[in-house]
Amino acid sequence: ETAVFQTPNYHVTQVGNEVSFNCKQTLGHDTMYWYKQDSKKLLKIMFSYNNKQLIVNETVPRRFSPQSSDKAHLNLRIKSVEPEDSAVYLCASSQTLNTEVFFGKGTRLTVV
Amino acid sequence: GDQVEQSPSALSLHEGTGSALRCNFTTTMRAVQWFRKNSRGSLINLFYLASGTKENGRLKSAFDSKERYSTLHIRDAQLEDSGTYFCAATTNSAGNKLTFGIGTRVLVRP
Repeated sequence: ETAVFQTPNYHVTQVGNEVSFNCKQTLGHDTMYWYKQDSKKLLKIMFSYNNKQLIVNETVPRRFSPQSSDKAHLNLRIKSVEPEDSAVYLCASSQTLNTEVFFGKGTRLTVV
Repeated sequence: GDQVEQSPSALSLHEGTGSALRCNFTTTMRAVQWFRKNSRGSLINLFYLASGTKENGRLKSAFDSKERYSTLHIRDAQLEDSGTYFCAATTNSAGNKLTFGIGTRVLVRP
């Protein structure tokens, strides 16, 4: 049973629009992540936050910006989406930086 | 970059039989996780290992950091074991980045 909740499940938008995805974890974890599942179905990390501090930014384009209001929430905003942003975005969390990671169900973004 | 080579890419098993999945790493990993993607697309945590072996029911996993591999054994396979299995490993670098394998699609047949 998942404890990492993502909304929306799906989103279709046009090129150039702004989108925002929400993620909340109820596990009391300190660390949260965003991963992107690419066209080859490989999951790759985009960001990691520990205690609301950005730890990792994996050379993600600047139109992507994570937003952390508290340790339980890590949202992802994409300004001016492009076609290559179509993907499944997965949020995750772990107790601390070096512990087991738990994933949400993902948000599928389609850019038309 | 760090690579995780997962094999086989697909596996067909008859109910009651067993097999093994393997991930080889191109660098020394600190820990490995194994997941199964269920029919609803959710990643289900199976194992987290920093070393040694763990067993849970009909599944058993091993991780050898020095030899750079991890395995997942399925024994007495059941129909509900069908799904795509992923290994993912992390180095000692900052951020606890998981590098994923490409996945193994397992089909258990009656």
